[in-house]
Amino acid sequence: DIVMTQSPDSLAVSLGERATINCKSSQSVLYNSKSKNSLAWYQLKPRQPPRLLIYWTSTRESGVPDRFSGSGSGTDFTLTISSLQAEDVAVYYCQQYYSTPWTFGQGTKVEIK
Amino acid sequence: EEQLVESGGGLVQPGGSLRLSCVASGFTFSTYAMHWVRQAPGKGLEFVSTISSNGGSTYYANSVKGRFTISRDNSKNTLYLQMGSLRPEDMAVYYCARDEVAAKGGAFDIWGQGTEVVVSS
Repeated sequence: DIVMTQSPDSLAVSLGERATINCKSSQSVLYNSKSKNSLAWYQLKPRQPPRLLIYWTSTRESGVPDRFSGSGSGTDFTLTISSLQAEDVAVYYCQQYYSTPWTFGQGTKVEIK
Repeated sequence: EEQLVESGGGLVQPGGSLRLSCVASGFTFSTYAMHWVRQAPGKGLEFVSTISSNGGSTYYANSVKGRFTISRDNSKNTLYLQMGSLRPEDMAVYYCARDEVAAKGGAFDIWGQGTEVVVSS
């Protein structure tokens, strides 16, 4: 199984400041035929279902604010919130969908400082 | 509006059984693979099971293999998860999710609101 490891486990950021979450996969998730990494990011708020934010490492889902961005390659990936808003308080998960079983990182809790 | 609505959760004793349902609307259900994902109290997201669009192929996490069965009825736009030999560690909110392989390579783009399963005597 591909192990996804996120860091940090939690972070507190001031409103308007940048939040950066890292995700490392235990092996490559590169989908060769598309030259894209099968890596997604989800946002989970209390009492709400998970929300897809980013797929293919860096493609923003429709309706997701452009302050959210994804980057990375190989086995190292990053989710950046460029200017943290109050509504961004949530737990964020990375996920590889390259091979079964699909696996998630342990989650990163983002709070307001 | 594309939507998934789960039902069937509840309180069950250890060793018991439960069937979860997930009804899809607003999209052509029969053309999408589907997943079950769960979140135990205080824990992260855990993949549970996958079924192909026509139901011909299934996959299970090791933690539920042999105890859970995923199925679907495309004529009813419904996904199921039959859970048996339930254990306290199966207690979680269970989500169904759509697999958008065509445009997004398999990312889970639509999620239901979840249904809670409590395993306790």
